[in-house]
Amino acid sequence: GAGVSQSPSNKVTEKGKDVELRCDPISGHTALYWYRQSLGQGLEFLIYFQGNSAPDKSGLPSDRFSAERTGGSVSTLTIQRTQQEDSAVYLCASSPTSAGVTEAFFGQGTRLTVV
Amino acid sequence: AQSVTQLDSHVSVSEGTPVLLRCNYSSSYSPSLFWYVQHPNKGLQLLLKYTSAATLVKGINGFEAEFKKSETSFHLTKPSAHMSDAAEYFCVVSEWRGNTPLVFGKGTRLSVIA
Repeated sequence: GAGVSQSPSNKVTEKGKDVELRCDPISGHTALYWYRQSLGQGLEFLIYFQGNSAPDKSGLPSDRFSAERTGGSVSTLTIQRTQQEDSAVYLCASSPTSAGVTEAFFGQGTRLTVV
Repeated sequence: AQSVTQLDSHVSVSEGTPVLLRCNYSSSYSPSLFWYVQHPNKGLQLLLKYTSAATLVKGINGFEAEFKKSETSFHLTKPSAHMSDAAEYFCVVSEWRGNTPLVFGKGTRLSVIA
């Protein structure tokens, strides 16, 4: 596609439910990132995929969070047993190579509200 | 590990006056540095980037930034603010080692007063 696509754009879920957030990166981009942005806060790094390398999961806040990237393209971020503090905008980005060389292109985000 | 500090959480300027948004970074290796802008209810857009070429980098919409290694700074400037510049600005660092994620500052909210 023309840009990074995220779905859904908005998600309201009940506390304790599981949610899946989807990211469709720009075709051919090898790097894919997930970030979380809480109200009035900067971007918190969650996880980073680069080609076929093992993902950098160092930013995942708890074992309730997981992500996978199938076939080096589409990625899904899963949050199990959601809590109210998980409410935030979840942003996905992709880049052609590692971020140190080129910019990352961001999707519009998924706004998650846990009630 | 790399880190970035944006020295002001909020900056307010009058339309037509200069803009200065301050950013300091920390990196063990040669860094790449970026400024992103986020308008209300919009996605993140790249303003400019430094990747070890010229130390003075020009970006979109009249913004520029200067990489100063001795001061570990990458401040964003614009000679004359426009109302449409009102947004959240993020300073971002990454390292040339590659395979490292972008690290974002906490952001500076720029307000432009008519």
